[in-house]
Amino acid sequence: KQEVTQIPAALSVPEGENLVLNCSFTDSAIYNLQWFRQDPGKGLTSLLLIQSSQREQTSGRLNASLDKSSGRSTLYIAASQPGDSATYLCAVFTGGGSNYKLTFGKGTLLTVNP
Amino acid sequence: GAVVSQHPSWVICKSGTSVKIECRSLDFQATTMFWYRQFPKQSLMLMATSNEGSKATYEQGVEKDKFLINHASLTLSTLTVTSAHPEDSSFYICSARVRLAGGALYNEQFFGPGTRLTVL
Repeated sequence: KQEVTQIPAALSVPEGENLVLNCSFTDSAIYNLQWFRQDPGKGLTSLLLIQSSQREQTSGRLNASLDKSSGRSTLYIAASQPGDSATYLCAVFTGGGSNYKLTFGKGTLLTVNP
Repeated sequence: GAVVSQHPSWVICKSGTSVKIECRSLDFQATTMFWYRQFPKQSLMLMATSNEGSKATYEQGVEKDKFLINHASLTLSTLTVTSAHPEDSSFYICSARVRLAGGALYNEQFFGPGTRLTVL
């Protein structure tokens, strides 16, 4: 059974800092890994999707890396802003056919203080 | 593209009533849709996988008679919470998997905005 762990559970930083969020998964047989952002009481916003054959993806101030063999991914946020405050979720796609499944971590609650 | 909508966005109901939540893919065909539940400060937990024209596949521990799923068309799946109780209060999110031209399924899910259910 795939398990996804995110560390830290919560993080508070001053504005402007660079920060790293960590995600690990137990079964390395994944199709891809995706990072989401969730604002309080809202749905999910997809940030980055990394295919299993890729090592990293970048979008603006965000960079996500994937080390499939070790079961790890990191989300790097550069020059953090108060608007980045949200919960960040990591999810992995596993399985095939009818067993295709997306497994989520519990998330990292990020607070960026002005 | 790949927009998924949910209706209603929030609902409050009395204990014992049934509530239906709709999930629609607006600009693509979704042969497979997924229903998730999220309790406060918890992550999303997959409840069931819904395939168009067939019975849904429920995850272990999810009562199929309580959470009725109907995927009657390529753009609509519904989740009905029957005889809702306060412990069913949660945030319900659906997602859809895109069917590409030729029938292949794209390995990404697109999420709806969620439905907040409060059972009094």
